[in-house]
Amino acid sequence: DVKVTQSSRYLVKRTGEKVFLECVQDMDHENMFWYRQDPGLGLRLIYFSYDVKMKEKGDIPEGYSVSREKKERFSLILESASTNQTSMYLCASSFYLGAFFGQGTRLTVV
Amino acid sequence: DQQVKQNSPSLSVQEGRISILNCDYTNSMFDYFLWYKKYPAEGPTFLISISSIKDKNEDGRFTVFLNKSAKHLSLHIVPSQPGDSAVYFCAASDRMGNQFYFGTGTSLTVIP
Repeated sequence: DVKVTQSSRYLVKRTGEKVFLECVQDMDHENMFWYRQDPGLGLRLIYFSYDVKMKEKGDIPEGYSVSREKKERFSLILESASTNQTSMYLCASSFYLGAFFGQGTRLTVV
Repeated sequence: DQQVKQNSPSLSVQEGRISILNCDYTNSMFDYFLWYKKYPAEGPTFLISISSIKDKNEDGRFTVFLNKSAKHLSLHIVPSQPGDSAVYFCAASDRMGNQFYFGTGTSLTVIP
């Protein structure tokens, strides 16, 4: 079974802090994604990566950056957390037949 | 612009009856369609998919129908069970599967 693991289930951070969300997958997938889920807005793509050291902006990249130094790991960075980044963050990895998600990180910025 | 749309934010169905969740898309280049189920505080889990070369795919109680000319797909759950209560997301991808476009989700409540 594919396993996508996100480092934290719940996080509370202060406004202005730099926040790191880590994601690891164990199926050697090329593609990895970061989404955020907000009520009424569904899943919105923040960034994705096709390969190590490659990254592409999704629909809502502002305020975020990513890092993919190893194939299995894709990190999402909030450079200076703000309250409007309070959300559920979902990491996924994929091959052609579908995307597999981690358990999600509920981030609250206070 | 939302390329995948789920126009019903919520749906309530009696246990044992059929649940029908609908999804529309705008991009004719989409080649593969998926349904995901999501419980609160968990990540989405893959439910069922369909390729654009088919018009129906069935897996147990779940059937997905694809109408390419209408750019519409639907998920049928029969019989519905209380454990099916969750948010269902429709998704579409291109032939390479390099990106997935998600709808806004439909919250299904199955009433015992």
